Amino acid sequence: AQSVAQPEDQVNVAEGNPLTVKCTYSVSGNPYLFWYVQYPNRGLQFLLKYITGDNLVKGSYGFEAEFNKSQTSFHLKKPSALVSDSALYFCAVRPPGSSNTGKLIFGQGTTLQVKP
Amino acid sequence: EAGVVQSPRYKIIEKKQPVAFWCNPISGHNTLYWYLQNLGQGPELLIRYENEEAVDDSQLPKDRFSAERLKGVDSTLKIQPAELGDSAVYLCASSFGTDDEQYFGPGTRLTVT
Repeated sequence: AQSVAQPEDQVNVAEGNPLTVKCTYSVSGNPYLFWYVQYPNRGLQFLLKYITGDNLVKGSYGFEAEFNKSQTSFHLKKPSALVSDSALYFCAVRPPGSSNTGKLIFGQGTTLQVKP
Repeated sequence: EAGVVQSPRYKIIEKKQPVAFWCNPISGHNTLYWYLQNLGQGPELLIRYENEEAVDDSQLPKDRFSAERLKGVDSTLKIQPAELGDSAVYLCASSFGTDDEQYFGPGTRLTVT
């Protein structure tokens, strides 16, 4: 079955330190990969996506993500965390193939807590 | 640019009652999605529209859920009758193209008592 795993329910990091939020997927072929962020009582906001090309994708608010095909991973990273980055982060996969057009499979989410 | 608008933001109803949610997508976005988000989980797609056509409703529980997007713009999601297990956040999203990034509304938090 197609699935997305975010192995950490919560990630804690000190402000100014680098952060990584992990995501692995179980989808055959070459999927599209996305990261979204959700602040309390707000909808999900798009951060970045990978379709093809350079394995390092840069997105909004200084975030980037690294695609690793052999490890089927798409980890979200930021060199220097801010307290305002504290939120719920979702990884999502769009499986390949025309039958999966528009279909996003989301992970269960990882809460990022950045402490001053 | 206005984002995706949803109303109401919160709704509390008794079980067996009907309920409806409304969504206004971003102007020019042809694709509209309804998602269900349970507490502590990621969103799950209920239905996807391309213009006024429902092109993927395979995850919509059709015995009690229905949706429409009559003029290819606003959309309504209805539950009749509601059950306790329907308590969740219902998210609407839109995108310009089908595989473009999706823009989400703030959601409607439904509580069924």
